[in-house]
Amino acid sequence: ENVLTQSPGILSLSPGDGATLSCRASQSVSSNYLAWYQQKPGQAPRLLIYGASSRATGIPDRFSGSGSGTDFTLTISRLEPEDFAVYYCQQYHTSPFTFGPGTKVDIK
Amino acid sequence: QLQLQESGPGLVKPSETLSLSCTVSGGSIISSGYYWGWIRQPPGKGLEWIGSIHNSGGNYRNPSLKSRVSISVDTSKNQFSLRLNFVTATDTAMYYCARQGPGSADAFDIWGQGTVVTVSS
Repeated sequence: ENVLTQSPGILSLSPGDGATLSCRASQSVSSNYLAWYQQKPGQAPRLLIYGASSRATGIPDRFSGSGSGTDFTLTISRLEPEDFAVYYCQQYHTSPFTFGPGTKVDIK
Repeated sequence: QLQLQESGPGLVKPSETLSLSCTVSGGSIISSGYYWGWIRQPPGKGLEWIGSIHNSGGNYRNPSLKSRVSISVDTSKNQFSLRLNFVTATDTAMYYCARQGPGSADAFDIWGQGTVVTVSS
């Protein structure tokens, strides 16, 4: 099983700040089948990034993904009030598909 | 646009079978190239992939649940379903259905709103 680790666990920031979230895999993620999701309380996750760096439909360009192999990053260039949420990475190339434990971005 | 909606009992007794359905609206479940998946989230915890199925019936399941899980498709109802046998309290969770498709390189791009399932006597 490809175990994903996310850091930090909690990121306390202010609106307008930039955010950098990390996702590290225990095994290389083939073909960059790495996604990022945003989840707000009481809501289903929402796909932000797929293929490590492609934005999903309707996702603002302040969200960007990068990385390859075992190290991936989600960057939010300037936090808007609606961006405070939990973010999960997921690898979906090799079964079992696995999610990271999440990074909570909260308001400082 | 395409929407997914989970349905099923909110309360299941220990050792019994959890059965959920996901109805696809605004599109066809037999659309080429799509898989349909189940993901769950225990209260206050992270996400766990349960399994995914293609409209042809081909499917794959999380090995940690494989012996207890079955996933099926009913194209006539535009639905896919999850059955989880011999449930325990650790199966208490929000259960989501979601679509995987070529437009998102097979990431889960559309999700249902989720349904809460509690395992308790």
